[in-house]
Amino acid sequence: DAKTTQPTSMDCAEGRAANLPCNHSTISGNEYVYWYRQIHSQGPQYIIHGLKNNETNEMASLIITEDRKSSTLILPHATLRDTAVYYCIVRVASGGGADGLTFGKGTHLIIQP
Amino acid sequence: NAGVTQTPKFQVLKTGQSMTLQCAQDMNHEYMSWYRQDPGMGLRLIHYSVGAGITDQGEVPNGYNVSRSTTEDFPLRLLSAAPSQTSVYFCASSWWTGGGYTFGSGTRLTVV
Repeated sequence: DAKTTQPTSMDCAEGRAANLPCNHSTISGNEYVYWYRQIHSQGPQYIIHGLKNNETNEMASLIITEDRKSSTLILPHATLRDTAVYYCIVRVASGGGADGLTFGKGTHLIIQP
Repeated sequence: NAGVTQTPKFQVLKTGQSMTLQCAQDMNHEYMSWYRQDPGMGLRLIHYSVGAGITDQGEVPNGYNVSRSTTEDFPLRLLSAAPSQTSVYFCASSWWTGGGYTFGSGTRLTVV
């Protein structure tokens, strides 16, 4: 699996857009970018994934650069409930990783009131 | 549709005891996996399964056994509990077409 690099922590004001970066310069052509988050003490929650096109769902948007070496997760209107650790994971397509997921340390996003 | 159900939610074991952590999913997912999360750390993969009858080891398999006799269930067995196995255990499942893993709410295990 390609290695990912994320900032350790970030702050964002409530109501503003939270932009979480992820570098994955060694990504392979058949690897997708997945984002999960873990709110304190809960199980991780799948957010979104993409290959090369930008993706949007009810939770977030995912912007992947043209060379696919980095991506940004965007939470358009952050709320206090978005405070969590956000994990960027690069995996081959099927099932988001048939042989399980490799979690790094992630980014601790703190939404400030 | 309950998703991924883990039982028990909390457990205290004495060193040397054995127990089984239960994981069940009702989404007909082929892929299932177990993780442990130590305080302040990320999740680490223990064992995984790509379908009934097929299991394999992850990053930290020592001290744990798994089996997958049905699509729905993926129990994790601690053979002889040690204090180093004090952790929060998460089970997850996914469908082969993608869309990410669904995680259970976790089992908090303390070994004394």
